[in-house]
Amino acid sequence: KAGVTQTPRYLIKTRGQQVTLSCSPISGHRSVSWYQQTPGQGLQFLFEYFSETQRNKGNFPGRFSGRQFSNSRSEMNVSTLELGDSALYLCASSLDIRTGEQYFGPGTRLTVT
Amino acid sequence: KNEVEQSPQNLTAQEGEFITINCSYSVGISALHWLQQHPGGGIVSLFMLSSGKKKHGRLIATINIQEKHSSLHITASHPRDSAVYICAVKRGATNKLIFGTGTLLAVQP
Repeated sequence: KAGVTQTPRYLIKTRGQQVTLSCSPISGHRSVSWYQQTPGQGLQFLFEYFSETQRNKGNFPGRFSGRQFSNSRSEMNVSTLELGDSALYLCASSLDIRTGEQYFGPGTRLTVT
Repeated sequence: KNEVEQSPQNLTAQEGEFITINCSYSVGISALHWLQQHPGGGIVSLFMLSSGKKKHGRLIATINIQEKHSSLHITASHPRDSAVYICAVKRGATNKLIFGTGTLLAVQP
């Protein structure tokens, strides 16, 4: 079975631009969670989606948004990029929200200049 | 105070040594994860625990729910074990994880 895939793997954007990151979960997994990893703040939870519904949102500004499609693929969008948004963005998939075993993708490295 | 605390933050060991990394948490949880991240790499889930003990190869993870504490042990450590080890807790019926700050392990040959 293919693992979690994320595209693109690397991205360079300038301040003020917007960006869309994509995550394809393991086949059959219906839950996708997104995380941000920075040297200063470590790993922080962004969103959780299950069956196209956002179930949980972390403490991030409204510039961070996401969605999940009927095939469980998920996207996250960051608008009006700031330098501090430079980070590794990871997504993780699981069968559902109860079993909890999460499988992480390789991440998208976003650099904002 | 962080909800999830790990110790030590940094650990250097010689190949073959027994290693212990500790995790304490201050909230009620439904499960605890131990994760591994190699430099520049993605995250691999090593264990998910809600009680007792789990073993996989040279890795052992234990959890004491009453004391809100978990340990990750590596027996016969090897340089390829060099990585950041992260403890993360899950609360209730959600996949939201709260992470510790990680332990950077370096195993020298």
